[in-house]
Amino acid sequence: ILNVEQSPQSLHVQEGDSTNFTCSFPSSNFYALHWYRWETAKSPEALFVMTLNGDEKKKGRISATLNTKEGYSYLYIKGSQPEDSATYLCASLSSGGSYIPTFGRGTSLIVHP
Amino acid sequence: DSGVTQTPKHLITATGQRVTLRCSPRSGDLSVYWYQQSLDQGLQFLIQYYNGEERAKGNILERFSAQQFPDLHSELNLSSLELGDSALYFCASSSTGWASTDTQYFGPGTRLTVL
Repeated sequence: ILNVEQSPQSLHVQEGDSTNFTCSFPSSNFYALHWYRWETAKSPEALFVMTLNGDEKKKGRISATLNTKEGYSYLYIKGSQPEDSATYLCASLSSGGSYIPTFGRGTSLIVHP
Repeated sequence: DSGVTQTPKHLITATGQRVTLRCSPRSGDLSVYWYQQSLDQGLQFLIQYYNGEERAKGNILERFSAQQFPDLHSELNLSSLELGDSALYFCASSSTGWASTDTQYFGPGTRLTVL
């Protein structure tokens, strides 16, 4: 059974701050990592799909890195805005887990104006 | 708007009953995924269908079943409902059968309340 851990559980930042959070996953038989953004009362929205060690992906002010050897991914938000307030979820897939996504509990980000 | 539709939006029913949740994927997508989000657990993968065939199965109870029809819409059937089945059920779709690397597009969800 995979354990995907996300930290911190919640984060409060001021508008304009840059921030980052972590997704940790078992590194054995790793295949892919997905990041999602989930706003309250909406549905999860895909941000990135990452597969290769050292991968870096960017979408506007949000970027992510992947280290498959040590089993972690960082999500960075540069110059946070109130509209970035959401829960950020990661999901790991492995060949040992039959490529079934296992989700972390998410990091809840609140950006104060 | 992701292009994935789910009906109904809300469903309130009693223990022991059976309900059907419906999902229509984005135009052109062949895969449909079902997820359960309950308060005490995170988002849990239930099952994936690809072009009418079951592709992957997660922690789906035996009381639950799903299918994908020739027009690619999918239904999730939940029977002998228990209080603990109260949750938000999401459907997602993707263009191919590879859950591992495909981008998934989530629908708005169906909120099920079992009384």
